[in-house]
Amino acid sequence: DSGVTQTPKHLITATGQRVTLRCSPRSGDLSVYWYQQSLDQGLQFLIQYYNGEERAKGNILERFSAQQFPDLHSELNLSSLELGDSALYFCASSVGPSGFSYEQYFGPGTRLTVT
Amino acid sequence: AQSVTQPDIHITVSEGASLELRCNYSYGATPYLFWYVQSPGQGLQLLLKYFSGDTLVQGIKGFEAEFKRSQSSFNLRKPSVHWSDAAEYFCAVGGGSNYQLIWGAGTKLIIKP
Repeated sequence: DSGVTQTPKHLITATGQRVTLRCSPRSGDLSVYWYQQSLDQGLQFLIQYYNGEERAKGNILERFSAQQFPDLHSELNLSSLELGDSALYFCASSVGPSGFSYEQYFGPGTRLTVT
Repeated sequence: AQSVTQPDIHITVSEGASLELRCNYSYGATPYLFWYVQSPGQGLQLLLKYFSGDTLVQGIKGFEAEFKRSQSSFNLRKPSVHWSDAAEYFCAVGGGSNYQLIWGAGTKLIIKP
């Protein structure tokens, strides 16, 4: 158990809908990363937050957005969903308050199915 | 630009045989190197990491990896695989000020009984 939690585990929704995925980082970690993993694209970095502020953006679509709240949990919002958005979405956390780190700890993921 | 190459998409190994998974990276300075494992339906778990010092690093589950600067490689090894090692293995490299990881495409390990 990495200490990173994600909810829900599974999500099935229809095209055009909007969903919110939630992530709670390991206790004390300030940085949250979101990834999308699909069969044809592999593991794709979406976005990173550090202590409530956006730090880096990867291959994140404009239909997707994220935020990190004062209690450090993070939410990934996916809107106008398309069939191609079906994937596993992972959250990872890193960085305790003592300094920065490349080491990331992953949650179990949310499997999104768009029908 | 930083990049990571895992040249083998799939590898099949007999149970009890030795294993080596290849990872090559491109990075201008000394990188931070990682191997992660993803079991079916699970998240990614950190197996081992290299930051500096001894170039042979030990990880969990009996895995080790060797950093070879001259070859820009960080290959993962295990002397004797078990059926429970069947999973996908990802190599990643970090460097620079943005504290992100660059990921390889992964190698799927299949264990023959």
